[in-house]
Amino acid sequence: DFQMTQSPTSLSASVGDRVTITCRASRSISSSLNWYQQKPGKAPKLLVHDASRLEGGVPSRFSGRVSGLDFTLTISGLQPEDFATYYCQQAYSTPPTFGQGTKVEIK
Amino acid sequence: QVQLVQSGAEVTKPGASVKLSCKTSGDMFTASYLHWLRQAPGQGLEWLGTLNPRDGRTAYAQKLKDRITLVRVTSTSTVYLDLSRLTPEDTGIYYCARDGLPLSAGTSFYFQSWGQGTLVSVSS
Repeated sequence: DFQMTQSPTSLSASVGDRVTITCRASRSISSSLNWYQQKPGKAPKLLVHDASRLEGGVPSRFSGRVSGLDFTLTISGLQPEDFATYYCQQAYSTPPTFGQGTKVEIK
Repeated sequence: QVQLVQSGAEVTKPGASVKLSCKTSGDMFTASYLHWLRQAPGQGLEWLGTLNPRDGRTAYAQKLKDRITLVRVTSTSTVYLDLSRLTPEDTGIYYCARDGLPLSAGTSFYFQSWGQGTLVSVSS
């Protein structure tokens, strides 16, 4: 199975901050990387698919990039509703696998 | 937006089986592949299996393949997950999710729409 290493595990940030979360693949997954946001007691929500394609209805402050094996999700101008846990997921190979998650908390 | 409505919480004992349901919007049932995932308490997400709603073909996670069955009932636009020989490690929230691509394009394995989740608790 493909291993996805996500960092950091958690971070504290303030409203308006720029936040970056990284996910590293154990081997090449092309651009087959998706990002999800999950709030407590809720199902995950797709934010970005195929590394950089923003899902419809997702604010433009969210963006995804890829450089080799490293994928980043950036939130430019953190909003109160963005405090949540974020997961990356590779879709290159079966089984699809997820990173461990990054919890974004209020500083 | 495709609606996925899941069945209610289940409390059961080790060794038992559980059958969960996921009902989709009728005219969208065969539009895309349907997946099941789960999340143990305080843990991350785990893919369990995938079903082609048109022909019923399935793919399962290797660790569960002897215990999991996905079936669909086309007349009710419902997909069922059957998990047998439960252990406490099967405790968690189970989600169904719709694939992001049209069925004819295959599966993208990006999970575009999600059900609300079903809590399964396995304890003696």
